[in-house]
Amino acid sequence: QSVLTQPPSVSGAPGQRVTISCTGSSSNIGAGYDVHWYQQLPGTAPKLLIYGNSKRPSGVPDRFSGSKSGTSASLAITGLQAEDEADYYCQSYDSSLSGPWVFGGGTKLTVL
Amino acid sequence: VQLVESGGGLVQPGGSLRLSCAASGFTFSNYAMHWVRQATGKGLEWVSAIGPAGDTYYPGSVKGRFTISRENAKNSLYLQMNSLRAGDTAVYYCARADHDYGDYYFDYWGQGTLVTVSS
Repeated sequence: QSVLTQPPSVSGAPGQRVTISCTGSSSNIGAGYDVHWYQQLPGTAPKLLIYGNSKRPSGVPDRFSGSKSGTSASLAITGLQAEDEADYYCQSYDSSLSGPWVFGGGTKLTVL
Repeated sequence: VQLVESGGGLVQPGGSLRLSCAASGFTFSNYAMHWVRQATGKGLEWVSAIGPAGDTYYPGSVKGRFTISRENAKNSLYLQMNSLRAGDTAVYYCARADHDYGDYYFDYWGQGTLVTVSS
């Protein structure tokens, strides 16, 4: 069981907007620690998508955005494209025995 | 930036294995480095970390069995894994950690090396 909770799957049609939630607790996201997001395309290594809650690394399209509030964070993808079909993971820092670096269980995005 | 893992393979339960990660394209000694693993069809699990000064960190699941180390002169990261169990079977990734006035995130990842623990 992951310290950070994500929905197992989400889906959307091309062009639509989808969001992926990441729910934590007072020992991680709620304690003020940053949330980062990774995209893992099938058969490849994870790639940094969002860091510091809402910042995009160079080369990541602005269709991807992140936000954080309280004990949760969200990744939003607008203008959904077929190439966005992948697994998405949130990651944060945890001050309990689970950490210190923890991941969400991952969310499979299916583009219909 | 390039990270290339090696050393994976098939090992019997209770056995040992040493993974390596060759880094290039950045000043290796300036960065914290991590190992993250992923069992087939499962999510990401943080395995160990080592700071630029050699301070090390482990989750409870591997503490006492795994040892992370680095050799800055060779731009190399290592993971010594002892007392291996079937549950350690996974692809092991090395990852560079960076931060931006905040908490650390993993900005570059290797392609991974597969470790299979089975009799």
